[in-house]
Amino acid sequence: AQKVTQAQTEISVVEKEDVTLDCVYETRDTTYYLFWYKQPPSGELVFLIRRNSFDEQNEISGRYSWNFQKSTSSFNFTITASQVVDSAVYFCALRDFGNEKLTFGTGTRLTIIP
Amino acid sequence: GAVVSQHPSRVICKSGTSVKIECRSLDFQATTMFWYRQFPKQSLMLMATSNEGSKATYEQGVEKDKFLINHASLTLSTLTVTSAHPEDSSFYICSAATGPGANVLTFGAGSRLTVL
Repeated sequence: AQKVTQAQTEISVVEKEDVTLDCVYETRDTTYYLFWYKQPPSGELVFLIRRNSFDEQNEISGRYSWNFQKSTSSFNFTITASQVVDSAVYFCALRDFGNEKLTFGTGTRLTIIP
Repeated sequence: GAVVSQHPSRVICKSGTSVKIECRSLDFQATTMFWYRQFPKQSLMLMATSNEGSKATYEQGVEKDKFLINHASLTLSTLTVTSAHPEDSSFYICSAATGPGANVLTFGAGSRLTVL
């Protein structure tokens, strides 16, 4: 069975600090996809990144970076120089190859304090 | 990019009435759509998978007679909450896939249902 764990329920940091959101997953499949979504107060889910299980290369996009470690089944998300607009709930999600169902973690509520 | 429109964004209804929520793929054909439910400060729970032209597949514990799903065309799926009660109050979000194994699902903006 698939499972996604986001142990951090809430995080608050002061603006401009760096922050890392943790994600640990479980799956029996050897091929799968990992995702991060942002959910601002308005409610819509904003896609941030998709990572294939066979590609462990870390990725950086502006202030965002992702660290995929297959050995520890983790897919952590770091925001550098945080901004108030980063305040949102962030969800990590898992999908097995050939299956469109997404399994979401419980989310981490990030608050950036001005 | 792919856009999914969800309507209404907010709805308030009296207990016992039925409410229909629409999910439309605006610029692509969605062979599969998914309906999620999100309680306040909680995660998204998959309710059902809807395939165009066939019956929806419901997740365990979801009442199919309570949450009617219709996917009559490749661009529209509807969720009808029948005889709504206050405990049905929630945030409902749909997502759409462009085809089997689609890499990224596109989500609608969600519909907040409040049952008085």
